[in-house]
Amino acid sequence: ETGVTQTPRHLVMGMTNKKSLKCEQHLGHNAMYWYKQSAKKPLELMFVYSLEERVENNSVPSRFSPECPNSSHLFLHLHTLQPEDSALYLCASSQDRGSYEQYFGPGTRLTVT
Amino acid sequence: AQSVTQPDIHITVSEGASLELRCNYSYGATPYLFWYVQSPGQGLQLLLKYFSGDTLVQGIKGFEAEFKRSQSSFNLRKPSVHWSDAAEYFCAAYNNNDMRFGAGTRLTVKP
Repeated sequence: ETGVTQTPRHLVMGMTNKKSLKCEQHLGHNAMYWYKQSAKKPLELMFVYSLEERVENNSVPSRFSPECPNSSHLFLHLHTLQPEDSALYLCASSQDRGSYEQYFGPGTRLTVT
Repeated sequence: AQSVTQPDIHITVSEGASLELRCNYSYGATPYLFWYVQSPGQGLQLLLKYFSGDTLVQGIKGFEAEFKRSQSSFNLRKPSVHWSDAAEYFCAAYNNNDMRFGAGTRLTVKP
């Protein structure tokens, strides 16, 4: 399989649940990103990992917890979310942190009830 | 503050008609500029990019964009729209490890 994949594609969870989003890239890239896409708003960069180290965290609430066990995999652990966290969560990768060409996965549509 | 603005939230064009999607940026220096397309249920796909040089850049799927420094704009164009072009389009700017996206323009194509 090539490119950037994300699982699950759709997720419905209650506010007390704990779930995880998974992203995998098959491009040999060294940087990975989590974005939040809400309707009619610009994409919001949440986290950046470069060579498995977190290099950026854009004031994201602690109920979102990223994990990057290796350069091919990125997780977003979710717990005690709020309804306003419902959105499309996109994962992307690039050759390096300074590379401007990012490749996106299809996203996980998250609904918090 | 650095920002990318797409003034049009939604545009409808007839199939075969020409298309122009607007993008303006606000940066101290000229950033690298991009256009992405997102089809329903899909991630973002890069259409084209501008770094420097020729201000008219060609992309995939018959799209082109023109950089105009004097207007701080990077508008996307296509001479003849196809029904399969219906999607959401995002302009983005990159500067100093920071990538920012516009809010997107949704394109509807009428038969």
